[in-house]
Amino acid sequence: AQTVTQSQPEMSVQEAETVTLSCTYDTSESDYYLFWYKQPPSRQMILVIRQEAYKQQNATENRFSVNFQKAAKSFSLKISDSQLGDAAMYFCAYRARSNDYKLSFGAGTTVTVRA
Amino acid sequence: NAGVMQNPRHLVRRRGQEARLRCSPMKGHSHVYWYRQLPEEGLKFMVYLQKENIIDESGMPKERFSAEFPKEGPSILRIQQVVRGDSAAYFCASSPNRQGWGNTEAFFGQGTRLTVV
Repeated sequence: AQTVTQSQPEMSVQEAETVTLSCTYDTSESDYYLFWYKQPPSRQMILVIRQEAYKQQNATENRFSVNFQKAAKSFSLKISDSQLGDAAMYFCAYRARSNDYKLSFGAGTTVTVRA
Repeated sequence: NAGVMQNPRHLVRRRGQEARLRCSPMKGHSHVYWYRQLPEEGLKFMVYLQKENIIDESGMPKERFSAEFPKEGPSILRIQQVVRGDSAAYFCASSPNRQGWGNTEAFFGQGTRLTVV
């Protein structure tokens, strides 16, 4: 079974600063996807960024980027130039390519942005 | 194109009652997935359905829980004789095909928060 661990229950960042969220995972698969989802107070689950394990290049989406370390099974999310709208719960998730539809989620990290 | 629609957003049930949660997938999506989010936890997979078929219900509790996705109408997650431990947020997601997660983006609804009193 795959497990996803987010060791930081809460993180706080000053507006315009950078914050990095940690995620580690455990798997015996060699091919898989990793995701970061954002859950604002509205509860809507929003896909922020996706990384394919066979791609060495780290994914980037505007102010969001990841640091994917496959050997270490680490997948951190960096939010640059933080904005008030970034305040939310962030979930790291894993899906094995061999089991396309089933996502495994971490427990989440609550990000607070200080004005 | 409306997103994944779940209703109700909030549902309060007394212990022993039945809860029915509805999910209308995005237009053109015939694959539906239900997840449960317990307090302070991430989402946990419950069941995967296609139209009129249950593909994988390995995450569903064996008793009291059932799901369906009829040919017409929304997908329904049904919880009979609810107990306090069923209190959670229940999320539905949909995709146009089974590979939707990998090659195309799957979309989540806003969830139904079930409170059992």
